[in-house]
Amino acid sequence: TQLLEQSPQFLSIQEGENLTVYCNSSSVFSSLQWYRQEPGEGPVLLVTVVTGGEVKKLKRLTFQFGDARKDSSLHITAAQPGDTGLYLCAGARGGGSNYKLTFGKGTLLTVNP
Amino acid sequence: NAGVMQNPRHLVRRRGQEARLRCSPVKGHSHVYWYRQLPEEGLKFMVYLQKENIIDESGMPKERFSAEFPKEGPSILRIQQVVRGDSAAYFCASSPSQGGRETQYFGPGTRLLVL
Repeated sequence: TQLLEQSPQFLSIQEGENLTVYCNSSSVFSSLQWYRQEPGEGPVLLVTVVTGGEVKKLKRLTFQFGDARKDSSLHITAAQPGDTGLYLCAGARGGGSNYKLTFGKGTLLTVNP
Repeated sequence: NAGVMQNPRHLVRRRGQEARLRCSPVKGHSHVYWYRQLPEEGLKFMVYLQKENIIDESGMPKERFSAEFPKEGPSILRIQQVVRGDSAAYFCASSPSQGGRETQYFGPGTRLLVL
């Protein structure tokens, strides 16, 4: 059972376009994190959201945590080739095991020049 | 500032051999986590260690896998008698205190290929 479903699985767009990727679950998370992973490297943290309805901006990236803390979205404005990578969401369930991150399978984004 | 270091970056083993994966956490971090990324799968939690203690190994296969984080030196993930299904990328992460809301910093991973 995949607790975190990410969509789309693959996304190929042209430079300058906008895009949104989604991370959905039927479970509630105490916090949710977004990572970007380049080929051959480990995940690099982009943002952590902890409050239902929270919106965080990181330059051209906007992250939103759903009101019920079950889902999240990542919106990229005016995508650039440097945004290419695998975008992963990961949730922490809270309580005594909040260190145990549950990862989605990721969205592989390709931005063509 | 050195981040999490893992070595080797790539490891090839034949079935039945042993694989030893090393992880040096960020300096000053005392909490280490190991995750496994199988082809076409997301990262899966394996084990959480503090210095000299295994806190949670609920994600670790019951046989052939073991992990340690000694008082001195790197954390080691050991896989005995490897099988082809063990082929995966193994990532180590560290945090200054218990993870969750505390950021876990990931290393570059060790890609294990079992022939």
